[in-house]
Amino acid sequence: DIQMTQSPSSLSASVGDRVTITCRASQGISNYLAWYQQKPGKVPNLLIRAASTLQSGVPSRFSGSGSGTDFTLTISSLQPEDVATYYCQNYNSARFTFGPGTKVDLK
Amino acid sequence: QITLKESGPTLVKPTQTLTLTCTFSGFSLTTSGVGVGWIRQPPGEALEWLALIYWDDDRRYSPSLRSRLTITKDTSKNQVVLTMTNMDPVDTATYYCAQSKYYAFPFDNWGQGTLVTVSS
Repeated sequence: DIQMTQSPSSLSASVGDRVTITCRASQGISNYLAWYQQKPGKVPNLLIRAASTLQSGVPSRFSGSGSGTDFTLTISSLQPEDVATYYCQNYNSARFTFGPGTKVDLK
Repeated sequence: QITLKESGPTLVKPTQTLTLTCTFSGFSLTTSGVGVGWIRQPPGEALEWLALIYWDDDRRYSPSLRSRLTITKDTSKNQVVLTMTNMDPVDTATYYCAQSKYYAFPFDNWGQGTLVTVSS
C-alpha cells in the first residue's frame, strides 16, 4: 500500500513569510495528490487537486507542485487566517490515503 | 447546493457494531463517476480514510480496516451507510462523510462530522 509522509510535522512562521510543506508518497502516484486545510474545530477544506490545480475560491498565495513521489504546498505570504493543519492525500482510484498533517501557526 | 450529514450513535460499547448513515442532497449517486466516502479523525490526530462507494457500486476500503468495514448505498434515499464491527476505544473519533464528484477525484464536499465515543 502507498504510504504518505509530510514534513515538517509542525512549523511556526511570521505573517508575510513564505511557507513550504513537503509530501512524499512511498511509490509513484502521478499527480493524484490533493492538499486540504483544516482550521481548528472545522471540517477539512480541499485547497488543491491534481497536485497543482487550485480549487475555486482558494487564495492565489497557495500553490502546489510535484509529480510522482514528491510534492510541495507553498504559501507565498502567510496570513493569520492560514493558521491550520494541512494534509496531503493520495486519491488514485483504489486508495485515498492521507498524510499525517503539518500544523502551521504564527511565530 | 451540496450538503452531507452524518448520523448515528454518539456512544457505543466495546465489541459492538457501529452503523453510521450519511444523508446527502444536491447530487445523485446514480451519476457516473460520483462517489461518497468515509473519513475519521481521532481527537487531536490526523485524518484517516476508511471507505468509499462509487455510483456503480464499486467499493473501496482501507486495507488496515477492511475486515471490519462495510459500505453500502441506498440511492432512493440518498444515503450511504458505513458499518464497523468490533468497536474499540481506539476507534473513538469524529466520523465524516464526503463526496468525490468524479472518479479518481478528491473529497470536495464534506459533512460536519459526528463524534463517536467507544466506552463501556
